Amino acid sequence: DAGITQSPRHKVTETGTPVTLRCHQTENHRYMYWYRQDPGHGLRLIHYSYGVKDTDKGEVSDGYSVSRSKTEDFLLTLESATSSQTSVYFCAIRSDREGETQYFGPGTRLLVL
Amino acid sequence: GESVGLHLPTLSVQEGDNSIINCAYSNSASDYFIWYKQESGKGPQFIIDIRSNMDKRQGQRVTVLLNKTVKHLSLQIAATQPGDSAVYFCAENRGGNQFYFGTGTSLTVIP
Repeated sequence: DAGITQSPRHKVTETGTPVTLRCHQTENHRYMYWYRQDPGHGLRLIHYSYGVKDTDKGEVSDGYSVSRSKTEDFLLTLESATSSQTSVYFCAIRSDREGETQYFGPGTRLLVL
Repeated sequence: GESVGLHLPTLSVQEGDNSIINCAYSNSASDYFIWYKQESGKGPQFIIDIRSNMDKRQGQRVTVLLNKTVKHLSLQIAATQPGDSAVYFCAENRGGNQFYFGTGTSLTVIP
């Protein structure tokens, strides 16, 4: 499982509330990613990080922010959740030993009412 | 826009038969591809990868074939087992840090 955990695993929240999802890795990988997975779409990249305090936007970054204050944790924040952000969110790491290969966490299922 | 990972949505196979799952990509600059397996309620699990300088790679019971001429990728699973039932999708790297993922094919193994 590449030592990746996500918390919470399930969350129900209301429109307009802030939500923070946490990704934690135990193997000191430099690159970390946040994706969302929705029916009819492949995984879509929200943001990624290439080091502490180094982040960049992905394909669907609007409405999301991220922070990485230490190597092991990558946080995804929905500043003001909307129903369109109901999704399953996956964190991934890129293995430093295996080139570009990405390994995924177990996911967080978020429902915005 | 460009299409990634066109899949048949479902595939049913008899236990013990071989399965072939296909993926088409449209970006000729893509140089690295991964097949993932995703079981219900779980995260995607790496199965096998292949680089564009190869046309075939084998793993344990799985083989990935890459045809760059027609931009086609396939995953072959030998002697399919009930535990192989899952959604399979391909991912392509067009260079840099971003992968593009297909929507997947749902494989059902009939005992």
